[in-house]
Amino acid sequence: AQKITQTQPGMFVQEKEAVTLDCTYDTSDPSYGLFWYKQPSSGEMIFLIYQGSYDQQNATEGRYSLNFQKARKSANLVISASQLGDSAMYFCAMRAMNTGGFKTIFGAGTRLFVKA
Amino acid sequence: GAVVSQHPSRVICKSGTSVKIECRSLDFQATTMFWYRQFPKQSLMLMATSNEGSKATYEQGVEKDKFLINHASLTLSTLTVTSAHPEDSSFYICSAREPVAKNIQYFGAGTRLSVL
Repeated sequence: AQKITQTQPGMFVQEKEAVTLDCTYDTSDPSYGLFWYKQPSSGEMIFLIYQGSYDQQNATEGRYSLNFQKARKSANLVISASQLGDSAMYFCAMRAMNTGGFKTIFGAGTRLFVKA
Repeated sequence: GAVVSQHPSRVICKSGTSVKIECRSLDFQATTMFWYRQFPKQSLMLMATSNEGSKATYEQGVEKDKFLINHASLTLSTLTVTSAHPEDSSFYICSAREPVAKNIQYFGAGTRLSVL
Protein backbone atom coordinates (compact mmCIF):
# COMPACT_ATOMS: atom_id res chain seq x y z
CA ALA A 1 0.00 0.00 0.00
CA GLN A 2 1.18 3.51 -0.67
CA LYS A 3 1.91 5.93 2.12
CA ILE A 4 3.01 9.53 2.52
CA THR A 5 4.51 10.83 5.75
CA GLN A 6 5.09 14.41 6.78
CA THR A 7 6.56 14.44 10.27
CA GLN A 8 6.62 18.19 10.87
CA PRO A 9 3.21 19.49 11.93
CA GLY A 10 4.58 23.04 12.11
CA MET A 11 7.69 24.92 11.04
CA PHE A 12 8.95 28.44 11.64
CA VAL A 13 11.33 30.28 9.34
CA GLN A 14 12.70 33.78 9.30
CA GLU A 15 11.80 35.89 6.30
CA LYS A 16 14.40 35.66 3.51
CA GLU A 17 15.84 32.41 4.85
CA ALA A 18 15.48 28.96 3.30
CA VAL A 19 13.37 26.20 4.80
CA THR A 20 13.06 22.47 4.14
CA LEU A 21 9.79 20.63 4.57
CA ASP A 22 10.17 16.89 4.94
CA CYS A 23 8.28 14.20 3.09
CA THR A 24 8.86 10.46 2.90
CA TYR A 25 6.85 8.01 0.90
CA ASP A 26 6.36 4.33 0.32
CA THR A 27 5.03 2.50 -2.70
CA SER A 28 5.67 -0.73 -4.53
CA ASP A 29 4.93 0.88 -7.88
CA PRO A 30 8.20 1.71 -9.71
CA SER A 31 6.50 4.48 -11.67
CA TYR A 32 5.10 7.22 -9.49
CA GLY A 33 4.83 10.97 -9.24
CA LEU A 34 5.47 13.22 -6.29
CA PHE A 35 3.81 16.59 -5.80
CA TRP A 36 3.82 19.47 -3.41
CA TYR A 37 0.80 21.69 -2.89
CA LYS A 38 0.33 24.87 -0.88
CA GLN A 39 -2.94 25.57 0.90
CA PRO A 40 -3.31 29.11 2.23
CA SER A 41 -6.04 30.01 4.69
CA SER A 42 -8.47 30.55 1.79
CA GLY A 43 -8.49 26.78 1.32
CA GLU A 44 -7.45 26.63 -2.31
CA MET A 45 -4.86 23.97 -3.17
CA ILE A 46 -2.07 25.46 -5.24
CA PHE A 47 0.23 23.18 -7.21
CA LEU A 48 3.90 23.98 -6.58
CA ILE A 49 6.19 21.33 -8.01
CA TYR A 50 6.32 17.84 -9.49
CA GLN A 51 8.95 15.07 -9.52
CA GLY A 52 8.64 11.89 -11.54
CA SER A 53 10.18 8.72 -10.20
CA TYR A 54 12.34 8.35 -13.28
CA ASP A 55 13.47 11.95 -13.40
CA GLN A 56 17.24 12.12 -13.06
CA GLN A 57 17.40 15.68 -11.84
CA ASN A 58 15.70 17.36 -8.93
CA ALA A 59 12.74 19.47 -9.95
CA THR A 60 12.90 23.23 -9.52
CA GLU A 61 10.23 25.89 -9.96
CA GLY A 62 11.37 29.37 -9.06
CA ARG A 63 12.01 29.49 -5.32
CA TYR A 64 10.81 25.91 -4.90
CA SER A 65 13.03 22.90 -5.35
CA LEU A 66 12.43 19.27 -4.58
CA ASN A 67 15.24 17.31 -2.98
CA PHE A 68 14.49 13.88 -4.39
CA GLN A 69 16.41 11.02 -2.78
CA LYS A 70 14.97 7.91 -4.34
CA ALA A 71 16.91 5.36 -2.32
CA ARG A 72 15.75 6.97 0.90
CA LYS A 73 12.23 7.49 -0.49
CA SER A 74 12.23 11.11 0.45
CA ALA A 75 10.98 14.14 -1.47
CA ASN A 76 11.66 17.19 0.64
CA LEU A 77 10.52 20.63 -0.48
CA VAL A 78 13.02 23.45 -0.19
CA ILE A 79 11.73 27.01 -0.26
CA SER A 80 14.48 29.56 -0.72
CA ALA A 81 14.28 33.21 0.35
CA SER A 82 11.07 32.77 2.33
CA GLN A 83 8.42 35.45 2.03
CA LEU A 84 5.59 36.35 4.38
CA GLY A 85 3.16 35.11 1.77
CA ASP A 86 4.66 31.64 2.03
CA SER A 87 2.91 31.15 5.37
CA ALA A 88 0.45 28.34 4.65
CA MET A 89 -0.17 24.65 4.92
CA TYR A 90 1.99 22.49 2.66
CA PHE A 91 1.01 19.03 1.52
CA CYS A 92 3.18 16.38 -0.06
CA ALA A 93 1.34 13.99 -2.35
CA MET A 94 2.09 10.90 -4.38
CA ARG A 95 0.36 9.40 -7.38
CA ALA A 96 0.96 5.69 -7.85
CA MET A 97 -0.79 2.50 -8.85
CA ASN A 98 -2.94 1.11 -6.09
CA THR A 99 -5.81 -1.36 -5.86
CA GLY A 100 -8.43 0.10 -8.15
CA GLY A 101 -6.03 2.10 -10.27
CA PHE A 102 -3.83 5.15 -9.97
CA LYS A 103 -4.54 7.25 -6.92
CA THR A 104 -3.10 10.38 -5.42
CA ILE A 105 -2.77 10.41 -1.66
CA PHE A 106 -1.74 13.27 0.58
CA GLY A 107 0.41 13.58 3.65
CA ALA A 108 -0.87 15.12 6.86
CA GLY A 109 0.64 18.47 5.95
CA THR A 110 3.10 20.92 7.48
CA ARG A 111 2.06 24.37 8.54
CA LEU A 112 4.75 26.92 7.73
CA PHE A 113 4.99 30.21 9.59
CA VAL A 114 7.24 32.88 8.11
CA LYS A 115 8.40 35.46 10.64
CA ALA A 116 9.16 39.06 9.71
CA GLY B 1 -1.36 26.33 -14.65
CA ALA B 2 -4.67 24.86 -15.63
CA VAL B 3 -7.84 26.26 -14.10
CA VAL B 4 -10.48 24.34 -12.24
CA SER B 5 -13.61 26.17 -11.17
CA GLN B 6 -15.71 24.97 -8.25
CA HIS B 7 -19.09 26.34 -7.32
CA PRO B 8 -20.48 27.31 -4.88
CA SER B 9 -17.67 28.36 -2.59
CA ARG B 10 -19.89 28.24 0.44
CA VAL B 11 -23.30 26.80 1.14
CA ILE B 12 -25.45 26.68 4.22
CA CYS B 13 -28.42 24.36 4.16
CA LYS B 14 -30.98 22.79 6.42
CA SER B 15 -30.71 19.21 7.54
CA GLY B 16 -32.47 16.87 5.13
CA THR B 17 -31.93 18.93 2.00
CA SER B 18 -29.64 18.06 -0.90
CA VAL B 19 -26.75 20.17 -2.09
CA LYS B 20 -25.07 20.06 -5.49
CA ILE B 21 -21.46 21.14 -6.00
CA GLU B 22 -20.07 21.70 -9.48
CA CYS B 23 -16.52 21.25 -10.65
CA ARG B 24 -15.42 22.46 -14.07
CA SER B 25 -12.13 22.26 -15.90
CA LEU B 26 -11.94 25.54 -17.79
CA ASP B 27 -9.07 25.12 -20.22
CA PHE B 28 -8.59 21.41 -20.62
CA GLN B 29 -10.64 18.26 -20.96
CA ALA B 30 -10.64 16.06 -17.91
CA THR B 31 -11.67 12.46 -18.33
CA THR B 32 -10.97 11.99 -14.64
CA MET B 33 -11.89 14.23 -11.76
CA PHE B 34 -11.53 13.64 -8.05
CA TRP B 35 -13.57 14.62 -5.04
CA TYR B 36 -11.90 15.14 -1.68
CA ARG B 37 -13.15 15.97 1.75
CA GLN B 38 -11.09 17.88 4.27
CA PHE B 39 -11.86 18.17 7.97
CA PRO B 40 -10.46 21.13 9.93
CA LYS B 41 -6.69 20.96 10.32
CA GLN B 42 -6.52 17.62 8.55
CA SER B 43 -5.34 16.35 5.23
CA LEU B 44 -7.40 15.69 2.15
CA MET B 45 -9.32 12.45 2.07
CA LEU B 46 -10.16 11.04 -1.34
CA MET B 47 -13.86 10.30 -1.56
CA ALA B 48 -14.25 9.17 -5.14
CA THR B 49 -12.82 9.21 -8.61
CA SER B 50 -15.20 10.57 -11.20
CA ASN B 51 -14.88 9.12 -14.69
CA GLU B 52 -16.49 10.78 -17.69
CA GLY B 53 -19.26 8.65 -19.12
CA SER B 54 -19.11 5.95 -16.48
CA LYS B 55 -19.80 5.36 -12.84
CA ALA B 56 -17.64 6.92 -10.19
CA THR B 57 -15.26 4.81 -8.16
CA TYR B 58 -15.82 5.34 -4.46
CA GLU B 59 -13.26 4.88 -1.74
CA GLN B 60 -13.92 2.43 1.02
CA GLY B 61 -16.29 3.79 3.61
CA VAL B 62 -17.82 6.47 1.37
CA GLU B 63 -21.55 6.01 0.83
CA LYS B 64 -22.28 6.17 -2.87
CA ASP B 65 -25.99 6.79 -2.28
CA LYS B 66 -25.15 9.67 0.01
CA PHE B 67 -22.61 11.32 -2.25
CA LEU B 68 -23.85 11.14 -5.81
CA ILE B 69 -21.30 11.90 -8.49
CA ASN B 70 -22.09 12.64 -12.10
CA HIS B 71 -19.44 13.28 -14.75
CA ALA B 72 -21.58 13.98 -17.77
CA SER B 73 -19.01 15.79 -19.89
CA LEU B 74 -15.27 16.17 -20.24
CA THR B 75 -15.35 19.45 -18.37
CA LEU B 76 -17.96 18.98 -15.66
CA SER B 77 -18.37 16.76 -12.64
CA THR B 78 -20.96 17.27 -9.93
CA LEU B 79 -21.16 16.03 -6.36
CA THR B 80 -24.58 15.94 -4.74
CA VAL B 81 -24.78 15.50 -1.00
CA THR B 82 -28.18 13.95 -0.52
CA SER B 83 -30.28 14.38 2.62
CA ALA B 84 -27.50 16.33 4.25
CA HIS B 85 -26.94 16.09 7.99
CA PRO B 86 -24.76 18.17 10.30
CA GLU B 87 -22.03 15.52 10.21
CA ASP B 88 -21.72 16.14 6.46
CA SER B 89 -20.51 19.66 7.19
CA SER B 90 -17.02 19.87 5.79
CA PHE B 91 -14.78 21.36 3.13
CA TYR B 92 -15.18 19.58 -0.19
CA ILE B 93 -12.55 20.04 -2.89
CA CYS B 94 -12.57 18.78 -6.43
CA SER B 95 -9.62 18.32 -8.71
CA ALA B 96 -9.09 17.48 -12.34
CA ARG B 97 -6.12 15.72 -13.80
CA GLU B 98 -4.45 17.48 -16.68
CA PRO B 99 -3.80 14.54 -18.99
CA VAL B 100 -0.81 15.83 -20.88
CA ALA B 101 1.49 17.69 -18.54
CA LYS B 102 2.80 15.21 -15.99
CA ASN B 103 -0.67 14.18 -14.84
CA ILE B 104 -0.76 17.09 -12.46
CA GLN B 105 -3.99 17.48 -10.52
CA TYR B 106 -5.33 21.00 -10.37
CA PHE B 107 -7.77 21.88 -7.66
CA GLY B 108 -10.88 23.95 -7.38
CA ALA B 109 -11.15 26.54 -4.63
CA GLY B 110 -13.28 24.24 -2.50
CA THR B 111 -16.80 24.37 -1.11
CA ARG B 112 -17.46 24.87 2.54
CA LEU B 113 -20.70 23.09 3.41
CA SER B 114 -22.49 23.86 6.65
CA VAL B 115 -25.56 21.82 7.48
CA LEU B 116 -27.76 23.26 10.19
